[in-house]
Amino acid sequence: DQQVKQNSPSLSVQEGRISILNCDYTNSMFDYFLWYKKYPAEGPTFLISISSIKDKNEDGRFTVFLNKSAKHLSLHIVPSQPGDSAVYFCAASARNFGNEKLTFGTGTRLTIIP
Amino acid sequence: NAGVTQTPKFRVLKTGQSMTLLCAQDMNHEYMYWYRQDPGMGLRLIHYSVGEGTTAKGEVPDGYNVSRLKKQNFLLGLESAAPSQTSVYFCASSYSRGPGTEAFFGQGTRLTVV
Repeated sequence: DQQVKQNSPSLSVQEGRISILNCDYTNSMFDYFLWYKKYPAEGPTFLISISSIKDKNEDGRFTVFLNKSAKHLSLHIVPSQPGDSAVYFCAASARNFGNEKLTFGTGTRLTIIP
Repeated sequence: NAGVTQTPKFRVLKTGQSMTLLCAQDMNHEYMYWYRQDPGMGLRLIHYSVGEGTTAKGEVPDGYNVSRLKKQNFLLGLESAAPSQTSVYFCASSYSRGPGTEAFFGQGTRLTVV
């Protein structure tokens, strides 16, 4: 039972354009969401997070949008750069729980085309 | 600043052999985690620790044991390796367990059991 779903295994975007990565969740108890980025042969690194009390969080070129009613979040990267080519994992945790209850999606491989 | 370091990076085991994966962090973090990543699946938590001398089971603990004798080290043991344990293993640490707390990951250990 995949509670966090990233339905697009891969995505290709032209350099300079917007990249939109999507994530859906089924557990209504989830109230904190994180995005991690992973390069080949490296561990994941934290990118951005959002609490359910917000519907948007922005950090430079990265913005995460949360639609609680649809149980959907998305990561926008503008403008996309070659260094953004990586696998992106969406993760969620429920109220009163920390990383020990973090549920990860299967990841989306983003390729930025120069 | 090394962050989280995993040893070894690669290993091939025969079925029934045992081994220990070492994770070391130099950030004085209380919380440490062992995940495994398999194709088509998100990262799944094996075991975790909330401080020196403590360990707890995660989502997929069977076939693994852990120890946290020192705050900076978290060891993952396989007593009798099975082909189903072929995976990429990631260690992570965090300074708190609060929801949305960033976890810092090691570079991973690719384990093959033949």
